[in-house]
Amino acid sequence: DGGITQSPKYLFRKEGQNVTLSCEQNLNHDAMYWYRQDPGQGLRLIYYSQIVNDFQKGDIAEGYSVSREKKESFPLTVTSAQKNPTAFYLCASSRGPGQSHEQYFGPGTRLTVT
Amino acid sequence: QKEVEQNSGPLSVPEGAIASLNCTYSDRGSQSFFWYRQYSGKSPELIMSIYSNGDKEDGRFTAQLNKASQYVSLLIRDSQPSDSATYLCAVNERWDTGRRALTFGSGTRLQVQP
Repeated sequence: DGGITQSPKYLFRKEGQNVTLSCEQNLNHDAMYWYRQDPGQGLRLIYYSQIVNDFQKGDIAEGYSVSREKKESFPLTVTSAQKNPTAFYLCASSRGPGQSHEQYFGPGTRLTVT
Repeated sequence: QKEVEQNSGPLSVPEGAIASLNCTYSDRGSQSFFWYRQYSGKSPELIMSIYSNGDKEDGRFTAQLNKASQYVSLLIRDSQPSDSATYLCAVNERWDTGRRALTFGSGTRLQVQP
């Protein structure tokens, strides 16, 4: 059963702590993406990766870090430098970075930092 | 500057009617256009993609693209209460860095009244 998994579904952290969100896909997709969604807003791109061991910053990369050591995995770390980390985080993947490739989303992780 | 605009709604239609959702974009070079459906608290689900001018039909959904006028629309025929959701338009646009990436609109909330 192919798809994208994200864990955990809900995450609560204290301010000042780093937290890592998991994203795994078994679709054999080359490209993976992290988005952030705030209430009533569209999706904003945090980071994306087109191939293993390579990733690029999106619109709002400050305070976040990623790694792409395996094709299947693209974890996102929300660091204490991120000023307003509470949001809905979505991971997506596509066959490749080309403009015709459709992106498919995981179920998301809802992060609350207090 | 990349921009994808949608009316936030809510768009309210009676059950069985046609719902018409619109989206305009700024990058004339865009070649790929997508519609996602997002239920409250869930992740976006890809429902339509369109790459050429004209209409593309899939079941009760029809996507319409007019590149000259830079708009893309989604028609939902025989609307059902289960269609009540937020519909996100996504366009593959060229960003300031020169790369192409999906730009999402903020979404139109559709309410289908029984």
